[in-house]
Parts: sequence; C-alpha cells; structure tokens
Amino acid sequence: ILNVEQSPQSLHVQEGDSTNFTCSFPSSNFYALHWYRWETAKSPEALFVMTLNGDEKKKGRISATLNTKEGYSYLYIKGSQPEDSATYLCAFSPNTGNQFYFGTGTSLTVIP
Amino acid sequence: NAGVMQNPRHLVRRRGQEARLRCSPMKGHSHVYWYRQLPEEGLKFMVYLQKENIIDESGMPKERFSAEFPKEGPSILRIQQVVRGDSAAYFCASSPRHNEKLFFGSGTQLSVL
Repeated sequence: ILNVEQSPQSLHVQEGDSTNFTCSFPSSNFYALHWYRWETAKSPEALFVMTLNGDEKKKGRISATLNTKEGYSYLYIKGSQPEDSATYLCAFSPNTGNQFYFGTGTSLTVIP
Repeated sequence: NAGVMQNPRHLVRRRGQEARLRCSPMKGHSHVYWYRQLPEEGLKFMVYLQKENIIDESGMPKERFSAEFPKEGPSILRIQQVVRGDSAAYFCASSPRHNEKLFFGSGTQLSVL
C-alpha cells in the first residue's frame, strides 16, 4: 500500500484570502498526480492531471505545481470565495499496477 | 451527455442479505473503477475493470465481494452476506482510457442493519 498524505486536514480562511495545501506521495515509480474537488453532496470532480516534473497547471483562480523528484504537489487558491469550500483530494498513480491512491483530502471552508 | 450514473443512492440491507450496486459509466468510457469510503477515511481502491474483464481486484476482499462489467449493461459490485462493517459509501468512476482523469458517480450509501 502506497502512502499519499495531504495537509492540512482542514482549513478555514476568510473570503479573499489566498491559500495553499500540500499533497505528498512516493517519489519513485511516478506516473501521474491528479487533483479533485469534492463538494458536499456531489461527486469528486477532476481539477488537474499532472505528469511531468515541474508541471504547473492553472484553472481560473486555482493552480497546482508538481515536484516528482521530492514527491509533492501544491494546490493554490487565489482570492478564496465561499464557493471554493470543498474537500480537495489528490490521487497518485504509479507506473506499476493499476490503482489511483487517494489522500484523505483537505477540507477547505471559506468564511464570507 | 449523462455523467456516471450509480444506483441506488441509498441501500439498506440486513446482515446476511446481498447488496447489488450498479454503475453506468459515461458514454464512450470502457474503464471502470470502484472505490469504498469508510467514515473518516479516504477513498480506498477496490477493483478496476474494462469491458468484460477484471484488470485489478487487489483492493477487494476475497470473500463475499465480486464485480463485473458485462459487454452490455452497467458494472455491478456485489456483496454477499453483508455484515455491519460493509456499511460505507461506494463510488464508481469511469475514464475513456486507463490512467486518465476519473469521472465519478454520486455514490451508493450502503447501510447494514
């Protein structure tokens, strides 16, 4: 079983604040790193798929970076809005086997 | 284009009964993954299937659990003789090719009394 860790477990920020959180994964046998957003009462929805060391992806106010050599990815949200409140999951895919290994997520609450 | 459809949304079973969970992937997706989420835990991989084939079932208990993805119809996760510990949310996800981003269903919440 591979370990994918996310920190912090939960986060409360004021509307307008920028925030970031971390996903740590094994640095060997890397194939891909996924980020998903999971709003309450909905299904997880893909944000980014990252495959190359140094990758940076951006979608509106949300961006992500990837460091495969040291085994971490950061997700950044600029100017948080209440609608950003959700759990953010990362999933590691090794180049061996067929699984995606999910972290337990970071729960973000944006206070208006 | 309908998303991944799971049914039922909620399923209540008594100990010893069978539970059947259904998942219809997105149109054009031939890869299906089943995950289980226990309370206070993350998504745990159970099984990965392609049409008519089980590719990886390493996350699925050997006893009482089975999965299929027939040529026609939805993927089925079957749990025989359910026990209280099977109570969890079961999520299905699909993708057009292996290792691409996953599209998730809304999940089935299984409660075993």
